Amino acid sequence: DTAVSQTPKYLVTQMGNDKSIKCEQNLGHDTMYWYKQDSKKFLKIMFSYNNKELIINETVPNRFSPKSPDKAHLNLHINSLELGDSAVYFCASSPWTLNTEAFFGQGTRLTVV
Amino acid sequence: QQQVKQSPQSLIVQKGGISIINCAYENTAFDYFPWYQQFPGKGPALLIAIRPDVSEKKEGRFTISFNKSAKQFSLHIMDSQPGDSATYFCAAGFQKLVFGTGTRLLVSP
Repeated sequence: DTAVSQTPKYLVTQMGNDKSIKCEQNLGHDTMYWYKQDSKKFLKIMFSYNNKELIINETVPNRFSPKSPDKAHLNLHINSLELGDSAVYFCASSPWTLNTEAFFGQGTRLTVV
Repeated sequence: QQQVKQSPQSLIVQKGGISIINCAYENTAFDYFPWYQQFPGKGPALLIAIRPDVSEKKEGRFTISFNKSAKQFSLHIMDSQPGDSATYFCAAGFQKLVFGTGTRLLVSP
């Protein structure tokens, strides 16, 4: 069983479109995250949710909106996609805070054309 | 203050050799220092982690050395194998994880 699963794995879309990435974890963890990995492989946290409550919101354009319907799911919706949004987006989860083992999903490679 | 500096950017080691990757941080509030391994097309996977109350932690061929006064920590991979070829990230945590820029390791057969 996959611990942290994201869909889709690949997403190619045109500028200006709106898209969503879904994430689910079956580890029973309370905390979930979205990370962005750019073309130089730099990993940066975008959002963190603890038991459905937003606890970290880095400096991310408000075109990005996370939604956590329950503590096992954290989705990322992106409005008005721009070329610079092209990256790999990783969902992750950890038992309660970032200072414990974080399990990452396989990533969603988003390409905006 | 939130940066974690990682070096080298890339590393080539012969099979059986020792791979060493170094990281340095500024924020003394960091209290959790993990290393992640990432293979192409996969998500980062936790390899080993240390807290600042110990100076060294070993798990199999992987060892973290931690120098609190110098605000530096390093990953040593003993007896490096071709299967260790991957990108390695250090990170530092306090309320959130800040990642280093990654080191691409290639272990030649």
